[in-house]
This record gives sequence, C-alpha cells and structure tokens, in this order.
Amino acid sequence: EAGVAQSPRYKIIEKRQSVAFWCNPISGHATLYWYQQILGQGPKLLIQFQNNGVVDDSQLPKDRFSAERLKGVDSTLKIQPAKLEDSAVYLCASSLGGGLEAFFGQGTRLTVV
Amino acid sequence: RKEVEQDPGPFNVPEGATVAFNCTYSNSASQSFFWYRQDCRKEPKLLMSVYSSGNEDGRFTAQLNRASQYISLLIRDSKLSDSATYLCVVNDNAGNMLTFGGGTRLMVKP
Repeated sequence: EAGVAQSPRYKIIEKRQSVAFWCNPISGHATLYWYQQILGQGPKLLIQFQNNGVVDDSQLPKDRFSAERLKGVDSTLKIQPAKLEDSAVYLCASSLGGGLEAFFGQGTRLTVV
Repeated sequence: RKEVEQDPGPFNVPEGATVAFNCTYSNSASQSFFWYRQDCRKEPKLLMSVYSSGNEDGRFTAQLNRASQYISLLIRDSKLSDSATYLCVVNDNAGNMLTFGGGTRLMVKP
C-alpha cells in the first residue's frame, strides 16, 4: 500500500517569498492533517481536514498560511509571505478517522533565509 | 498547561537497561492514545497504540491510567537501535484531533 506522499522534500526560500507544499494521502483516508515541526519540538497541528472540509485550523496563522483540499484527496499548504520563523519541517499525515492512528509523509524541510 | 506533556530528556541508558517514559494529558475526554517513534530527520512512525487494559509488543509495554491522565511506555532490554525520540499522542476522538507531546529523547549507549 502506498504511503503518504509529500513534495518537495526540501525548499530554501528568502523571507517574504511564497512557497507551496503538496500532499497526497493514503487512498481512502478521509482525515488529513498538516503539522509544523520546529527542530527539537513535537509536531504542532496547523490544520485538519475531514474530506474537503476544515475540522480545525485554530493554530494556523491565517494572515500568511492557507491550505485547501478541494476534492477531498490531495492537499496544498501555502505560506505567503514567509518569515524566518517559518523554517521547520511540514508534515502531512492521514487517517481513516474514528480515533485511529495517523500515518505520516516524509515531510518538507523548509529553510527561510 | 500544555495539553500533552512529556519529559524531554535525554534519557541516557546502557544497552540492556529498562527505561520508562511517562506522558500526561489534560483533556479528560480523550479516548485514543498512541506512542510514535521519530528518528533524527525522519517522520514520526507509529510504535504502538495504548489500550485501556495495557498492551505489550515484544520489549515494549504501554499502560494507560485514566484516573491520573497519564500514559507510560516501558522498554526492556534496550538496544542501540532504540535510540530515538518517543512522541506521546492523544486523540480527542470527537474531532479526531491528534495532539502531540514534545517528545522524549532516548539515547542507548554501548
């Protein structure tokens, strides 16, 4: 079974530039999560989708971050404009829901210079 | 108070030692609990789910104490390959939201 796919793996951008990340969850998984993981910390939930609807985005900095999952499958996360403190690994995960475990993609390592 | 709290460590133990980690959570309505393992520069991977009755998988034992709102992970006969960060994860079930602790770093030395 294919796992969660993410791209790109690495991205270096200058502050104030824009960047987008893509995620393809495991087939059939209705729940999709985007997490931000800063070095030395645990993953922090940015946004959670159930199919194409947003369940929780309370920790998403909406002035610069946006995410969508238009057809309830793939998702994109965008940052515009980026700040130095956005340097982190952005992890996408998916789950069947119902309190079951989530499976993670390899992440996108973002460096803002 | 953080929703899910862990001692960041590091726990430095010799090979063959037994080591235990605890994790406390604040939401008493939480229903599902997990331990994930994360290797350096890798994504988190599920180590084991934590059931109310406790569960064991080889050298790993997980326990849940709902009254005190904590879960634990016990690793027996530590191996060098157990060196990693162990993440405690709590699911509120209602919204299926997964909240991670900050992780506990384990280093097993020869």
